[in-house]
Amino acid sequence: AQKITQTQPGMFVQEKEAVTLDCTYDTSDPSYGLFWYKQPSSGEMIFLIYQGSYDQQNATEGRYSLNFQKARKSANLVISASQLGDSAMYFCAMRELNTGNQFYFGTGTSLTVIP
Amino acid sequence: DAEITQSPRHKITETGRQVTLACHQTWNHNNMFWYRQDLGHGLRLIHYSYGVQDTNKGEVSDGYSVSRSNTEDLPLTLESAASSQTSVYFCASSEGGGAGSNQPQHFGDGTRLSIL
Repeated sequence: AQKITQTQPGMFVQEKEAVTLDCTYDTSDPSYGLFWYKQPSSGEMIFLIYQGSYDQQNATEGRYSLNFQKARKSANLVISASQLGDSAMYFCAMRELNTGNQFYFGTGTSLTVIP
Repeated sequence: DAEITQSPRHKITETGRQVTLACHQTWNHNNMFWYRQDLGHGLRLIHYSYGVQDTNKGEVSDGYSVSRSNTEDLPLTLESAASSQTSVYFCASSEGGGAGSNQPQHFGDGTRLSIL
């Protein structure tokens, strides 16, 4: 079974609008961390935001927030006030505490921001 | 600032040749990883290391090998390059688990490898 599932291969959003990128995960470990990365067309992987399984509040980092629904095993990334520079691939990843060191990545979502 | 450096950034080679991709990190991380990225597959783990002299196979390890003789470097070797190994390769490092489990992986800028 896939550890991380991203069901949206491609998404479009109007500039200045908000967009939600979906991520569901599969784990039996009660302790885990969820990460989102951005990969612009230049190719580098940029860490955006982290959510721990025991965190009581949804993580936020500037215009990025994480809609964490533990019972549904989902960790959707919300980007508010989209900008043209947000056009990129976005990857969701998980790290389980019992393995501790491996990261499991989804297949990514390509986001295009339309002016 | 700490960083992770991959070289070369681009390489073209022929099938059957041995190829080595370099990865050097100054984060002083024990954990290092090699991924390949192909369209529709995201990042797939090739090999990883949790410390000096430690190496482990990932989900797509056939045809690849790594060695870890110091903390900073994890070179990836393609023993006999095949066209199916044409891909973008990323090296990453991270702190250990436990207290370090909320820390992200740090990535190099990638190596684009073409095998003709």
